[in-house]
Amino acid sequence: EIVLTQSPGTLSLSPGERATLSCRASQSVRSSYLAWYQQKPGQAPRLLIYDASSRATGIPDRFSGSGSGTDFTLTISRLEPEDFAVFYCQQYGSSPPYTFGQGTKLEIK
Amino acid sequence: EVQLVESGGRLVQPGGSLRLSCAASGFSFSSYGMSWVRQAPGKGLEWVSRISGGDGSTDYADSVKGRFTISRDNSKNTLYLEMNSLRAEDTAVYYCAKSPKTYSPGWFDPWGQGTLVTVSS
Repeated sequence: EIVLTQSPGTLSLSPGERATLSCRASQSVRSSYLAWYQQKPGQAPRLLIYDASSRATGIPDRFSGSGSGTDFTLTISRLEPEDFAVFYCQQYGSSPPYTFGQGTKLEIK
Repeated sequence: EVQLVESGGRLVQPGGSLRLSCAASGFSFSSYGMSWVRQAPGKGLEWVSRISGGDGSTDYADSVKGRFTISRDNSKNTLYLEMNSLRAEDTAVYYCAKSPKTYSPGWFDPWGQGTLVTVSS
């Protein structure tokens, strides 16, 4: 089973700042099969990024993903008030289980 | 528009059973894999089970293997999760989610709004 570790646990930033979220895998993620989701309170998760760097339909270009192997990053170039939420990474490159990271909470400073 | 609507969640006693449903619309349901993902109160996301389109092959998380059964009725565009021998640790919001492909799981998009299962005496 691939374990995904996200850091930091909580990130406190102001609107307009740049956010960098990390997701580290316990072993290499095949073909960069990694996704990022955003979840706001009381809502279902929303897909942001798939295949490590491809933006999902309708996702603003201030969201970008990068990385390969065991190290992946989600970057939000310039934070908008609506971006504050919990973010999860998820791998789908290996046999089940298709694991999630424990989440990073992005809060307003 | 792709839509997924879960139902069936409720309060159930430990050891009890429950069947969740997920009604799909807006896409060719039989052609895509589907998954269930759960989220315990205040916790993160946990993948539970998946079923492929096509041959209907299935996979389960170890935490539910032997107790939960995923199935689909392509004629009704509906996904199911049969849950038996429920435990307190199964308490969670259960989401259904669509995969981008027929067989391999891929990413999950979109997700339903979720249905709450509470296991308690």
